Amino acid sequence: IQMTQSPSTLSASVGGRVTFTCRASQNIGNWLAWFQQKPGKAPNLLIYKASHLETGVPSRFSGSGSGTEFTLTISSLQPDDFATYYCQQSFDYSGFTFGQGTKLEI
Amino acid sequence: QVQLVQSGPEVKKPGASVKVSCKASGYSFAEYYIHWVRQAPGAGLEWMGWINPNGGSTNYAQSFQGRVTMTSDTSISTAYMEVNSLTSDDTAVYFCARGPRPPMYRGASDSWGQGSLITVSS
Repeated sequence: IQMTQSPSTLSASVGGRVTFTCRASQNIGNWLAWFQQKPGKAPNLLIYKASHLETGVPSRFSGSGSGTEFTLTISSLQPDDFATYYCQQSFDYSGFTFGQGTKLEI
Repeated sequence: QVQLVQSGPEVKKPGASVKVSCKASGYSFAEYYIHWVRQAPGAGLEWMGWINPNGGSTNYAQSFQGRVTMTSDTSISTAYMEVNSLTSDDTAVYFCARGPRPPMYRGASDSWGQGSLITVSS
């Protein structure tokens, strides 16, 4: 299963609202997770099963979608949110593919 | 709290092998899958496979089959990932991550190791 994220880079301002898109090449149900990664650090789980907020993640993060189209929204950007965001599907037993990532820039 | 601590950086020559360790604490190691993911410099995340520490069953991404071996030792709550026949393309940071609880293999990795930088250079 191929995962395609768009855009590859996103520019936004503190306090703004942004939406990331992730598309699957076939139906993955809701087996989609979103991760945030900062340079030199491990990925951090934000959203699992498409729309469930991981414990400890701020409520300004939200996820939606099912099937082949998914979105991650940050409602009010904070300085700490500027990072790279990845989606990953865990539907296909033969490979839990990641999207190529979207870099969020100031 | 859940913690995964990985082995340190290594430099290897082309053709050699490397074995990365991942020691778990803060939960019952045998009750969750361990996934391995790598990230080449400046690149995205690449899923390599998982191991079920309870029994040792594995599932490798097709691109790594035959060259990667994942094992675990439940007595010391440690998972291992070995890559053989290294090339410069294997230069990357390798992460371990906790997956869901078997038998359900679907689900996100909620805790990650700090990463182990493996450099392949002659």
